[in-house]
Amino acid sequence: GDSVTQMEGPVTLSEEAFLTINCTYTATGYPSLFWYVQYPGEGLQLLLKATKADDKGSNKGFEATYRKETTSFHLEKGSVQVSDSAVYFCALSDRSWGKLQFGAGTQVVVTP
Amino acid sequence: ETGVTQTPRHLVMGMTNKKSLKCEQHLGHNAMYWYKQSAKKPLELMFVYSLEERVENNSVPSRFSPECPNSSHLFLHLHTLQPEDSALYLCASSEQGSYGYTFGSGTRLTVV
Repeated sequence: GDSVTQMEGPVTLSEEAFLTINCTYTATGYPSLFWYVQYPGEGLQLLLKATKADDKGSNKGFEATYRKETTSFHLEKGSVQVSDSAVYFCALSDRSWGKLQFGAGTQVVVTP
Repeated sequence: ETGVTQTPRHLVMGMTNKKSLKCEQHLGHNAMYWYKQSAKKPLELMFVYSLEERVENNSVPSRFSPECPNSSHLFLHLHTLQPEDSALYLCASSEQGSYGYTFGSGTRLTVV
């Protein structure tokens, strides 16, 4: 079945550092790919998405490119802030239905 | 406010109690979901409702009983829970066939 694998956390880095969170997927078809973010004490919020190969999703300085050849959707941000501290989830969606399959989540801690 | 409202935000219940979690959305979505989020574990999909019919039940114990009376409301009825059921319970909604979910803020459940 479909699955998502993302790097384990926590990832700890200083403010203004470069952030990369790796995400790879396994799917039988051509899924849509997502990154969700969960701030402390809250539910998940959609951060960005890409619906086909080579699409780049971007939002709030975060970017991820749908790479079909490497089945990856790595999340990047050039200069993180303390407010980016959260848990980040990579997910894929079966196009025919829309149901989401989540990765285990990666906690990111940004220190001043 | 995401458009998906969950109540209560926090709930403490004894193992012999009966309580219900409520989820409400007015986004016009036609699919709703219950997820369980436990510390250090991946998100677990519990139930899926599409067009008010339960279409998925992922081997959830019978002490959890979902109800979807209409496309805007989803309940999770709880009875005789165990301490290991303590977790954050997240509700989400989506438009079937479209991309991505909208999540509520969750109910933090503690079973004592």
